[in-house]
Amino acid sequence: QVQLQESGPGLVKPSETLSLTCAVSGYSISSGSYWGWIRQPPGKGLEWIASIYHTGSTYYNPSLRSRVTISVDTSKNQFSLRLSSVTAADTAVFYCARVAYRDYLYYYMDVWGRGTTVIVSS
Amino acid sequence: DIQMTQSPSSLPASVGDKVTITCRASQSIDSYLNWYQQKPGKAPKLLISAASSLQSGVPSRFSGSGSGTDFTLTISSLQPEDFATYYCQQSHSTAIFTFGPGTKVDIK
Repeated sequence: QVQLQESGPGLVKPSETLSLTCAVSGYSISSGSYWGWIRQPPGKGLEWIASIYHTGSTYYNPSLRSRVTISVDTSKNQFSLRLSSVTAADTAVFYCARVAYRDYLYYYMDVWGRGTTVIVSS
Repeated sequence: DIQMTQSPSSLPASVGDKVTITCRASQSIDSYLNWYQQKPGKAPKLLISAASSLQSGVPSRFSGSGSGTDFTLTISSLQPEDFATYYCQQSHSTAIFTFGPGTKVDIK
């Protein structure tokens, strides 16, 4: 059974860099699939942040591209997110997810972590 | 960028009701459309991919249809566990996504 677990600081100061890691169990990242980060501000909807293929190919939300870095560490079977220059508007629950695909055409997030809350505050 | 809209934003309903949620894309996305269910404090759950393909384990009362720019999620007979927020998501380009704003189905 594939499981994902987010980890990282729950509190980040404004202007600093938010760093999160998603540990994958029950599935080898090197086997394939894409992996992604999604966030949800309090009381609001879902926002896709970035995706990465196990080979390291990356895809970013244009609205966040200048501040986001997604990376993968196949040796540790995990992938990570860095979001720089954070403000209070970046306060959210951050989810990691497996991005499965069919026929190299249809992409969807079929396994999700439980989410981790990050608050940006001094 | 492809923008997604959903209607209604809120849908009061009763157990047993047939519920229909609409999702619209700002340009054609063929059938690259997924639906998720999210309950308070929980991660989203994939219901339907490729506009109409029901995820394994999802009850058959859920169905999806549409292509191009207009899509619908239908719950044929609403059950108590179906009260939740539903999101559509486009995946027109490889591993690039946009979510709709969500539709909250709550008790009438």
